[in-house]
Amino acid sequence: NAGVTQTPKFRVLKTGQSMTLLCAQDMNHEYMYWYRQDPGMGLRLIHYSVGEGTTAKGEVPDGYNVSRLKKQNFLLGLESAAPSQTSVYFCASSPSQSSYNEQFFGPGTRLTVL
Amino acid sequence: GESVGLHLPTLSVQEGDNSIINCAYSNSASDYFIWYKQESGKGPQFIIDIRSNMDKRQGQRVTVLLNKTVKHLSLQIAATQPGDSAVYFCAETYSSASKIIFGSGTRLSIRP
Repeated sequence: NAGVTQTPKFRVLKTGQSMTLLCAQDMNHEYMYWYRQDPGMGLRLIHYSVGEGTTAKGEVPDGYNVSRLKKQNFLLGLESAAPSQTSVYFCASSPSQSSYNEQFFGPGTRLTVL
Repeated sequence: GESVGLHLPTLSVQEGDNSIINCAYSNSASDYFIWYKQESGKGPQFIIDIRSNMDKRQGQRVTVLLNKTVKHLSLQIAATQPGDSAVYFCAETYSSASKIIFGSGTRLSIRP
């Protein structure tokens, strides 16, 4: 199993550009999450999904949109990138309601917005 | 603001010694407390969790202690090895939620 994969690994955007980050998991997990991590800080939850076709807002959802059309994929979109969105983005998944303490993380996407 | 936080941002330990990483929390309603490890350039990795009605839980070379009286959580790593070098995050969750809240992390460095 590949686990949780993220595409792309690195990206540089100009202010105002849009992009989509893709997260894929092959563990048949129900729950998926998008976090951002700024230098020297912890992870902050952007959006999450408890199942195919459902999404919910996390701590810092503004400026981002998500979609979970397929159980194995969770997409994070930036419609109009801003320098404040420069960060490392991590996707994670967990099996179910009873076991979401253990989340499995991808390797991250480093995004720079100029 | 965050309800989960850490006492010290960095910790330096001699190889072979035991490491103790501390965490304070403010939310008495949390059901679980969790520790994650993040190595440089990688995503976080689950280490161990403890239910709020427990005081202690042991894993492989790790022990988590929970003191609800002073709202304090600690992670003890026995016989610290170079591979333990990482940032350690404490986190909390509630059974009614489907998400966890991360603290700001402690960097553990190992002296040879």
